[in-house]
Amino acid sequence: IAGITQAPTSQILAAGRRMTLRCTQDMRHNAMYWYRQDLGLGLRLIHYSNTAGTTGKGEVPDGYSVSRANTDDFPLTLASAVPSQTSVYFCASSTGTAPTDTQYFGPGTRLTVL
Amino acid sequence: GNSVTQMEGPVTLSEEAFLTINCTYTATGYPSLFWYVQYPGEGLQLLLKATKADDKGSNKGFEATYRKETTSFHLEKGSVQVSDSAVYFCALGRSGGSYIPTFGRGTSLIVHP
Repeated sequence: IAGITQAPTSQILAAGRRMTLRCTQDMRHNAMYWYRQDLGLGLRLIHYSNTAGTTGKGEVPDGYSVSRANTDDFPLTLASAVPSQTSVYFCASSTGTAPTDTQYFGPGTRLTVL
Repeated sequence: GNSVTQMEGPVTLSEEAFLTINCTYTATGYPSLFWYVQYPGEGLQLLLKATKADDKGSNKGFEATYRKETTSFHLEKGSVQVSDSAVYFCALGRSGGSYIPTFGRGTSLIVHP
């Protein structure tokens, strides 16, 4: 069982370009999340999805969009990348939305916007 | 709203020293509490959790007790190893009016031989 896979592992991107970060899970989890991790700021939630077909905004959603067409996939799109979006991006999932649910994280995508 | 406050790092210890990483929280309702660990170059993974007051979570020699009266969930280990060097995150599960989990900023632990 792979758990959560993310692609690419790392990417260098020119400012203004469009980029989609891919996330796939094979655990049949209902809820999925996208975080960014920046030094000194910890983890910040970008978008989440409680179940296929629904999405919600997190703490820092501006400049990002997501879709959840099925249970397994939760891509994150940067429509027009800016240098401040340089970060490490983590996808996560949980069984559901119960307070006791553990989150499972992917290995991350390191994105550099020049 | 919900929030988590962790002690700032880095915490630097010698091998076999005692570890405490403080975590306090503010929450509506009765959240579950988690500690996640992130080893270098990896994603976060669950270390331990507690789902109600006075519960103690434990794993790999680490322990944390859910203290409702002090709204705390401090992480402890009696004897750290070099392999425990990582970033540790305290987190709240969804609770009350919050529809999303809440993470602290993380505490870096460096253990020297």
